[in-house]
Amino acid sequence: EAGVAQSPRYKIIEKRQSVAFWCNPISGHATLYWYQQILGQGPKLLIQFQNNGVVDDSQLPKDRFSAERLKGVDSTLKIQPAKLEDSAVYLCASSLEGPRGSRAYEQYFGPGTRLTVT
Amino acid sequence: AQSVTQPDIHITVSEGASLELRCNYSYGATPYLFWYVQSPGQGLQLLLKYFSGDTLVQGIKGFEAEFKRSQSSFNLRKPSVHWSDAAEYFCAVGGEYGNKLVFGAGTILRVKS
Repeated sequence: EAGVAQSPRYKIIEKRQSVAFWCNPISGHATLYWYQQILGQGPKLLIQFQNNGVVDDSQLPKDRFSAERLKGVDSTLKIQPAKLEDSAVYLCASSLEGPRGSRAYEQYFGPGTRLTVT
Repeated sequence: AQSVTQPDIHITVSEGASLELRCNYSYGATPYLFWYVQSPGQGLQLLLKYFSGDTLVQGIKGFEAEFKRSQSSFNLRKPSVHWSDAAEYFCAVGGEYGNKLVFGAGTILRVKS
C-alpha cells in the first residue's frame, strides 16, 4: 500500500513570495490533515478535512494560508505572501475515519515539505 | 485545553541499555495517548497508542508505554536500545471528541556505541 505522498520535498523562497504544497493521502482515507512543524517543536495542526469539507481550521492563519481538497482526495496548501516565521516542515497526514472515530487517531504521515523563507 | 510536556530535549543512552522517555499530559477527561517516532527527513511513524483498558501498551520495534492517570504520565520504555532507535520521539494527546492531536516538543534520542 502506498503511503502519503507530498511534494515538493524542499522549497526555498523569499519573503512575500507565494508557495504551494501538494499532498496525496493513502487511498480510501477520508480524513486529511496539514501540520506545521517548526524546528524544535512538535507538529501543530493547521487544518483538517473530512472528504472535501473542512472540519477544523482554527489554527490556520487565514490571512495568508489557504488549503483545499476539491475532490476529496488530494490537497493543496498555499501560503501567500510568505513570512520568515513560516519556515518549517509542512506535514500531511491521513486517516481512515472522520471525527469521533477511534481509528481517526491512527494518522499516517507523509515525509513532509521543508520550507525555508529567506 | 490539551497540552503535552516532554521534559527531556535530548537523551543519550548506550546501545543495549534501557530507555525511558518521559511524557506528561494535561487533559480534563479520558485522554487518548500516542507515541510517534520521526527519523531525519522522514514523517512521523506511530509507535503505540492508548485508548482504554490495560494501562501497559505494547508497540512496534519493542517499545512499550504505561499510562498512569494519577501522575498524568505516559512514559515510553524499551529494555534494550539499538543504534537504529536514534531519532526524535513525540508524545501526543487526543481528546475524546474529535480527533485533534496535540504534540509535545519532542525528545531527541542519541545512541552511543
